[in-house]
Amino acid sequence: QVQLQESGPGLVKPSETLSLTCTVSGGSISSYYWSWIRQPPGKGLEWIGYIYYSGSTNHNPSLKSRVTISADTSKNQFSLKLSSVTAADTAVYYCARGQTVTTDLDYWGQGTLVTVSS
Amino acid sequence: SSELTQDPAVSVALGQTVRITCQGDSLRSYYASWYQQKPGQAPVFVIYGKNNRPSGIPDRFSGSSSGNTASLTITGAQAEDEADYYCNSRDSSDNYVFGTGTKVTVL
Repeated sequence: QVQLQESGPGLVKPSETLSLTCTVSGGSISSYYWSWIRQPPGKGLEWIGYIYYSGSTNHNPSLKSRVTISADTSKNQFSLKLSSVTAADTAVYYCARGQTVTTDLDYWGQGTLVTVSS
Repeated sequence: SSELTQDPAVSVALGQTVRITCQGDSLRSYYASWYQQKPGQAPVFVIYGKNNRPSGIPDRFSGSSSGNTASLTITGAQAEDEADYYCNSRDSSDNYVFGTGTKVTVL
């Protein structure tokens, strides 16, 4: 059974960089797409971006160039960096596994709340 | 447009049938997948493709698609089906897009 677990600071100061890591167990990240999704309190889901096991990435245009997604296959982890954060970036952040042909996200982490505040 | 629009809320009597819709131009080209989210929990993958259920999802959940609209139907809704439901698909730039979400209340 594939399991994903997000980790990282729960509090980030405005203008700083949010950094999260997703550790995958029960399967290798050397296949599939690996996504980050977030959900502001009381709001809907927003796709942030993905990394394919080959290293190619894609991200939500609304986040412009603030997003960096990388992977460490030796640790079976992938990571998110979101720069220049503001209070609007406060959300529960989820990592998830995506299928290779479709946008189906079949396994999700439990999510981690990141609050942007001074 | 890369948006996926859902009704904000629907209600269904216990044991009855409810249909949740998702509208968007991209659905003319791509199937939607559907996710159930209960309060304080991560989304759960419930429907994908033409009408496929992942292992462990009850057969009262089904999916369909026509034109620019994808639908999730719960036949014989149970109290435990009360949740938010989101559709998901892609746009022409290969970006993932989520629907606006529908809150289902079981009366």
